[in-house]
Amino acid sequence: QQPVQSPQAVILREGEDAVINCSSSKALYSVHWYRQKHGEAPVFLMILLKGGEQKGHEKISASFNEKKQQSSLYLTASQLSYSGTYFCGTESTGSARQLTFGSGTQLTVLP
Amino acid sequence: EAGVAQSPRYKIIEKRQSVAFWCNPISGHATLYWYQQILGQGPKLLIQFQNNGVVDDSQLPKDRFSAERLKGVDSTLKIQPAKLEDSAVYLCASSPTVQDNEQFFGPGTRLTVL
Repeated sequence: QQPVQSPQAVILREGEDAVINCSSSKALYSVHWYRQKHGEAPVFLMILLKGGEQKGHEKISASFNEKKQQSSLYLTASQLSYSGTYFCGTESTGSARQLTFGSGTQLTVLP
Repeated sequence: EAGVAQSPRYKIIEKRQSVAFWCNPISGHATLYWYQQILGQGPKLLIQFQNNGVVDDSQLPKDRFSAERLKGVDSTLKIQPAKLEDSAVYLCASSPTVQDNEQFFGPGTRLTVL
């Protein structure tokens, strides 16, 4: 069962902040975040692991609420280059380290 | 470091024809994934290899799809025969190990079935 992302789309001006949420009905081991620009491959942003460990992008932060099986991606002081579709991929406990991706959040940053 | 290579980048075929996609992962990456991404959706895992063994192929439509990674390096995904609903981007990804599973994606192959 795929995670649910919200919002589906967001438009903001350069310099504004945005939050993208990802929610799962399964117990999670980790949450991965990727950004995909139109016609390109998804690019890794961040991994959040059960227990609090994080690995990823310097300018993007995220949180992982293990009890609620939710993660949020925080984009602060958005730049034009942040435009794209953001996907969360969830790894359930006991899933042989496979990711199930959400349907994505389309972020558009306007000048 | 060279990234994940995929070919061809685009393919147009008619339904009931066969097609094959090739993927060469990042050197040294033991784990290889094939995903199907339908327009407007997130990637959906088709099959996962660890070296030359299959870890999971539960979402692979085995009546028409097959994949192999014979020498534990590059991989081929085949569709035979193709259906209209197979139109999608087929993404290959690799990660260093199963434990360290930050995935690096290739550029994908965009398949159009007419």
